Amino acid sequence: QKEVEQDPGPLSVPEGAIVSLNCTYSNSAFQYFMWYRQYSRKGPELLMYTYSSGNKEDGRFTAQVDKSSKYISLFIRDSQPSDSATYLCAMSEGVTDKLIFGTGTRLQVFP
Amino acid sequence: DAGITQSPRYKITETGRQVTLMCHQTWSHSYMFWYRQDLGHGLRLIYYSAAADITDKGEVPDGYVVSRSKTENFPLTLESATRSQTSVYFCASSSLGWTSGFTGELFFGEGSRLTVL
Repeated sequence: QKEVEQDPGPLSVPEGAIVSLNCTYSNSAFQYFMWYRQYSRKGPELLMYTYSSGNKEDGRFTAQVDKSSKYISLFIRDSQPSDSATYLCAMSEGVTDKLIFGTGTRLQVFP
Repeated sequence: DAGITQSPRYKITETGRQVTLMCHQTWSHSYMFWYRQDLGHGLRLIYYSAAADITDKGEVPDGYVVSRSKTENFPLTLESATRSQTSVYFCASSSLGWTSGFTGELFFGEGSRLTVL
């Protein structure tokens, strides 16, 4: 069993939809949770960062962490075609330099 | 140009050949990383470096060698390439370590796409 599980998709939604992307994990020591966005043939770039449990909002994006369920989510409101990308969750215990990435979910937003 | 650059962007080689992928960053970040990205596996850490002359193994280090004689460069060498090393390789850098309040942000290069025939 992988430490971090993520549905690879693809997820296809119409423009304006609310998108929910999720990851589950098995290591209860994880404290730092991140979402990276990766456009085709590009490197990943950090989208959101959360420490421990709770919610964090940034514009149309909301990251949620539920440590009791070992479950994290990224919500995208009013999705745009420019949001079409692969979204990777990543997490770490916080005392090492190693991030553990999910496999990524490919999202396509059609006009 | 400021940032992190990888070269070559595309490489085709044969089994048994030695290949070196270059990574150069201009931010003077102390931490540098090499990942490989494969379908179904996501990003897996190969090696990382906390500073010049300090390197450590990641999740999948077998068959790879790294060095870091200068802060800005972190080359990855495949000593004898195998087909299973066909992948997209990403170099990344970061300014802080975990013990210094690491924000989690890794800055990635655009990737080196390697095919081993």
